[in-house]
Amino acid sequence: AQKVTQAQTEISVVEKEDVTLDCVYETRDTTYYLFWYKQPPSGELVFLIRRNSFDEQNEISGRYSWNFQKSTSSFNFTITASQVVDSAVYFCALLHGSSNTGKLIFGQGTTLQVKP
Amino acid sequence: DSGVTQTPKHLITATGQRVTLRCSPRSGDLSVYWYQQSLDQGLQFLIHYYNGEERAKGNILERFSAQQFPDLHSELNLSSLELGDSALYFCASSVWQDTQYFGPGTRLTVL
Repeated sequence: AQKVTQAQTEISVVEKEDVTLDCVYETRDTTYYLFWYKQPPSGELVFLIRRNSFDEQNEISGRYSWNFQKSTSSFNFTITASQVVDSAVYFCALLHGSSNTGKLIFGQGTTLQVKP
Repeated sequence: DSGVTQTPKHLITATGQRVTLRCSPRSGDLSVYWYQQSLDQGLQFLIHYYNGEERAKGNILERFSAQQFPDLHSELNLSSLELGDSALYFCASSVWQDTQYFGPGTRLTVL
């Protein structure tokens, strides 16, 4: 089965709090890619990060960091010192390297609300 | 701005009608994808075109069709529209199996 699960439907935090968004994936492929996208209230989907299955190094970009653990099939996303502008729906997605379909499999999304 | 453009931004139409959604990919991208986002189904892959050829189909209804033209822009045609087709339709583009960059979407409302 190919599946992405974002168990947290909604998260509410106060500005400056740290918050982690969970993503668990299922795949039998050895080659695959994982993504995070942000969908702000304006509606567009904004690419945040891409990770391939052979690179388990964690990544940090400003206040954003990602923790990829193949052992637990997880690709979690942490926002440090959250800001109101971080309020959005965040999607985790999976792309199989072997399928050649280009089909992104999305999780259901986590709505993050950051209150001032 | 992702570089992917979609028109129109909003579309309101009646049941039974036919509409065409248009997408222009980022410069240099040969792959175009269409996705549907609805409240009950989430983000669903519809179809993938690469350099004018259909590469993969997802859960796309028979009433829906797409094509990619020689200039690489793509159109998604939705016919015999039903209330349940109301959704946000995204186009994305990429260089083959690379990161997909999404357009701003077309919000379709079927009344």
